[in-house]
Amino acid sequence: AQTVTQSQPEMSVQEAETVTLSCTYDTSESDYYLFWYKQPPSRQMILVIRQEAYKQQNATENRFSVNFQKAAKSFSLKISDSQLGDAAMYFCAYRSGSEKLVFGKGTKLTVNP
Amino acid sequence: DAGVIQSPRHEVTEMGQEVTLRCKPISGHNSLFWYRQTMMRGLELLIYFNNNVPIDDSGMPEDRFSAKMPNASFSTLKIQPSEPRDSAVYFCASSLATGRREKLFFGSGTQLSVL
Repeated sequence: AQTVTQSQPEMSVQEAETVTLSCTYDTSESDYYLFWYKQPPSRQMILVIRQEAYKQQNATENRFSVNFQKAAKSFSLKISDSQLGDAAMYFCAYRSGSEKLVFGKGTKLTVNP
Repeated sequence: DAGVIQSPRHEVTEMGQEVTLRCKPISGHNSLFWYRQTMMRGLELLIYFNNNVPIDDSGMPEDRFSAKMPNASFSTLKIQPSEPRDSAVYFCASSLATGRREKLFFGSGTQLSVL
């Protein structure tokens, strides 16, 4: 079974600085997607970024980028120029041909002014 | 589009009572997912449907839990009888069933408290 591991239960960053959230996963499949979701205190799950396993180029969305290392099964999220509104729980997720979206346990990000 | 709509937003009930959570997916989406979120276990997939048909219910904790999708625009998750350990946030999500690329759109969740 596929598993997703986020080894950092909590992280903090100063406003305007850069922070990296870690994620590793375990799978025997070769074709899959990886996602980062953000969950602010409002509880809403918001897609931040997604990466296709077959693409070597790392995905970027404005201040958010990923470092995808397929051989190492690693998928970290980098947030540049952190803003107070970035404070939230961040979940790494994996989706394969079975269409299940499997989540990690999340990292709570605090942004300090 | 109004997004995925869940009701109620909060539910407080007593142990032994029946609880029904409701979900309206985004129009045109034909995959629907029920997740449960707790501090200890994170986000767990309970069950998902494709074209109103349950595909995988291996995450349903026990027989007290049941889910239905009578049509493309409505799904329910029922707990009978409820227990305090069922207290959690229950999310419904929907997506286009066109493959792994499609993102899931989540509802705002139902906070369930079983006393």
